Amino acid sequence: DSGVTQTPKHLITATGQRVTLRCSPRSGDLSVYWYQQSLDQGLQFLIQYYNGEERAKGNILERFSAQQFPDLHSELNLSSLELGDSALYFCASSASAENYGYTFGSGTRLTVV
Amino acid sequence: QQQVKQSPQSLIVQKGGISIINCAYENTAFDYFPWYQQFPGKGPALLIAIRPDVSEKKEGRFTISFNKSAKQFSLHIMDSQPGDSATYFCAAWGSKTSYDKVIFGPGTSLSVIP
Repeated sequence: DSGVTQTPKHLITATGQRVTLRCSPRSGDLSVYWYQQSLDQGLQFLIQYYNGEERAKGNILERFSAQQFPDLHSELNLSSLELGDSALYFCASSASAENYGYTFGSGTRLTVV
Repeated sequence: QQQVKQSPQSLIVQKGGISIINCAYENTAFDYFPWYQQFPGKGPALLIAIRPDVSEKKEGRFTISFNKSAKQFSLHIMDSQPGDSATYFCAAWGSKTSYDKVIFGPGTSLSVIP
């Protein structure tokens, strides 16, 4: 157990729907990162939050949004889902905003049908 | 400039052999070059990392070699074992870049056969 908890582990939903992925960072970590992993795209950075504030944004679609709550857990919201959104979504955390050593969760496998 | 290139895409090595994975980068502002290991069904886990002012770092059977002038670095796994079978990601991170997040290479799937 890495200490980073992601729920749910698996999610199957239809096109056009909206889902929420949840991440609880490792105890004491203030920074949360979301990555999308697909077979042909590798690990793509989506967004980073540090202590509740958005810190950096990657190739995150406008249909996707995220937030980090006062208790430091984070949620990634995916809406108007398309078949191409099917992927593994990983959350990672680190103690500070300036740290290359991430602790990853086990991911949420999203399947859009 | 944010891209990290990695090769080969997949690698098959016999038990006891040496596994070598190569990476290259463009942005000289990167401060650390970590390697992550990912087993099926798990998230990536930090394996080893090197700063650009060091030419080599060794931890057990894992060694990173770094060539700053060529902007290339590589992971060597000595005496490869079936338990090393996993996907390996090289990565880059910079404290002074405009994006303090880890940039990952596309990954190398390593299979160590008995």
